[in-house]
Amino acid sequence: GESVGLHLPTLSVQEGDNSIINCAYSNSASDYFIWYKQESGKGPQFIIDIRSNMDKRQGQRVTVLLNKTVKHLSLQIAATQPGDSAVYFCAESEAGSARQLTFGSGTQLTVLP
Amino acid sequence: ETGVTQTPRHLVMGMTNKKSLKCEQHLGHNAMYWYKQSAKKPLELMFVYNFKEQTENNSVPSRFSPECPNSSHLFLHLHTLQPEDSALYLCASSRGEGNTEAFFGQGTRLTVV
Repeated sequence: GESVGLHLPTLSVQEGDNSIINCAYSNSASDYFIWYKQESGKGPQFIIDIRSNMDKRQGQRVTVLLNKTVKHLSLQIAATQPGDSAVYFCAESEAGSARQLTFGSGTQLTVLP
Repeated sequence: ETGVTQTPRHLVMGMTNKKSLKCEQHLGHNAMYWYKQSAKKPLELMFVYNFKEQTENNSVPSRFSPECPNSSHLFLHLHTLQPEDSALYLCASSRGEGNTEAFFGQGTRLTVV
């Protein structure tokens, strides 16, 4: 069946360094990809999204890269801060609808002082 | 503050109890969702409501019963749950089913004893 997965369950980075969180997907029909951040005790928070007709999109300190050839998605966080410590989920949608979001298991990002 | 409020934040219930989870959104959205989040597993979509009408029931056992009296409120009625139902239950909303950005509440941490 279709799945969305993450390469690593945990990632530790030094404060100030850049973070890269990776995600693989298997559904070739996926046309919309989203990154969510979930801090401890809170619900997932939308970070950034990208459509399949793009390969890069930038936000504030975050960049999402999409490689459709290898079905790979990554989230880059520049100058990682302690407040970035959280679980990061990728999700994909085939029809561009929230009802059809398929979530990955998440990567725990820990920012070291 | 995401504009989606869930109560209670924590709930402990016995297997013979009946309880209800409540979700309220102040965003003027038309679609609302219930998700289940278990440890180390991806978010699982349970139910979808669009304009108060249930549009998806993702093979959820009947011991979970949703109710959507209006576009701003969503309930999840719980009855004779099992210990394996212990999880974080998340409510989300979006402008419509065709809009992918879902806003999540902080969740209800449910423990079934």
